[in-house]
Amino acid sequence: AQSVTQPDIHITVSEGASLELRCNYSYGATPYLFWYVQSPGQGLQLLLKYFSGDTLVQGIKGFEAEFKRSQSSFNLRKPSVHWSDAAEYFCAVVGDSNYQLIWGAGTKLIIKP
Amino acid sequence: DTGVSQDPRHKITKRGQNVTFRCDPISEHNRLYWYRQTLGQGPEFLTYFQNEAQLEKSRLLSDRFSAERPKGSFSTLEIQRTEQGDSAMYLCASSLNQGETQYFGPGTRLLVL
Repeated sequence: AQSVTQPDIHITVSEGASLELRCNYSYGATPYLFWYVQSPGQGLQLLLKYFSGDTLVQGIKGFEAEFKRSQSSFNLRKPSVHWSDAAEYFCAVVGDSNYQLIWGAGTKLIIKP
Repeated sequence: DTGVSQDPRHKITKRGQNVTFRCDPISEHNRLYWYRQTLGQGPEFLTYFQNEAQLEKSRLLSDRFSAERPKGSFSTLEIQRTEQGDSAMYLCASSLNQGETQYFGPGTRLLVL
């Protein structure tokens, strides 16, 4: 069965520092992978997605993610975080049945001034 | 593109009461999904529709839950005889077709007292 693991429940970084959020997935075939962000009281907003092709994917708000098949990973990165990036970040994969998203438990990003 | 909307945004009810939530997807989207999210967790799939047909229901969806999408446009999710364990955020998403990006509404937060 497919699964997604986000090993870090919380991450604290200083404003202006670089960020990497980890995501590992379990899936037999080539996965469709997503990163969403959820701010307090807000819905889930798509940051970026990987379906095929170039393994380095650019998203909105300066985020990027790299698909590494050998490591079953799809880590999210940003070179310099802003206070407005404080939110919860979710990694997800489309399941075998090709309809539902299977989600990680999320990583809460805290920004230190 | 007005995005996915959900109504109400918040609902407080007493145990045993029935509640109904509404989701309006992006207008040309054929697929509509319902997820449930509890605090500190990623969303969990509940059910989905392809146009007006409900094609899959999760085991999480007990007999007290029913969803409809009568004309292939908006959808309703009803919970009968609510229990405290039903307290959660109920999220709706839509996508153009199978396997494509899902866009989420702001969610309905339910609190059962």
